[in-house]
Amino acid sequence: DGGITQSPKYLFRKEGQNVTLSCEQNLNHDAMYWYRQDPGQGLRLIYYSQIVNDFQKGDIAEGYSVSREKKESFPLTVTSAQKNPTAFYLCASTRDPNEKLFFGSGTQLSVL
Amino acid sequence: QKEVEQNSGPLSVPEGAIASLNCTYSDRGSQSFFWYRQYSGKSPELIMSIYSNGDKEDGRFTAQLNKASQYVSLLIRDSQPSDSATYLCAVKDSSASKIIFGSGTRLSIRP
Repeated sequence: DGGITQSPKYLFRKEGQNVTLSCEQNLNHDAMYWYRQDPGQGLRLIYYSQIVNDFQKGDIAEGYSVSREKKESFPLTVTSAQKNPTAFYLCASTRDPNEKLFFGSGTQLSVL
Repeated sequence: QKEVEQNSGPLSVPEGAIASLNCTYSDRGSQSFFWYRQYSGKSPELIMSIYSNGDKEDGRFTAQLNKASQYVSLLIRDSQPSDSATYLCAVKDSSASKIIFGSGTRLSIRP
């Protein structure tokens, strides 16, 4: 079955620690996105990538980093510079940004 | 920064009535507009996409687009308890591959 897989489902970060959220898709989509969702809020764009080895900052990129070394994979690293990382993180992909986004099941990140 | 605005709600509608959800956007050049439904703790799922001015109907759902006024709306007819969810309006940026979401409207259908 084609789809987007995010892992882990739950993640805990200690003070000063970097953590990496995984996002893998087998839909052969070029465009991939990372969004952050706080309780009761909408989705805010962190980073997006249109093609391999290229990515752009979204509206809230500070404290985050990404890579796009393979078409299928778009991992997100939450660095220690992100002081309030507790949120629900969603990865999405699409064949065409003018068409629907396919979402992963999300990762809930909490701070210990 | 380009923005998408929605009333956060909650919007409470009796079962069987019409629910009306509204969204405004700041990017005048945008051409692609989306409504997603999100249940608590789950990922968003696409309800409707709309690209041209006017109405687009799909079952109980009708999306309406007015580019001159920069608003998009979603009507849900014969509302059911299963329609209770958060509805997210999304707009594709006219100059980039960014897709910007609004803050979402919480809809509650009361029996």
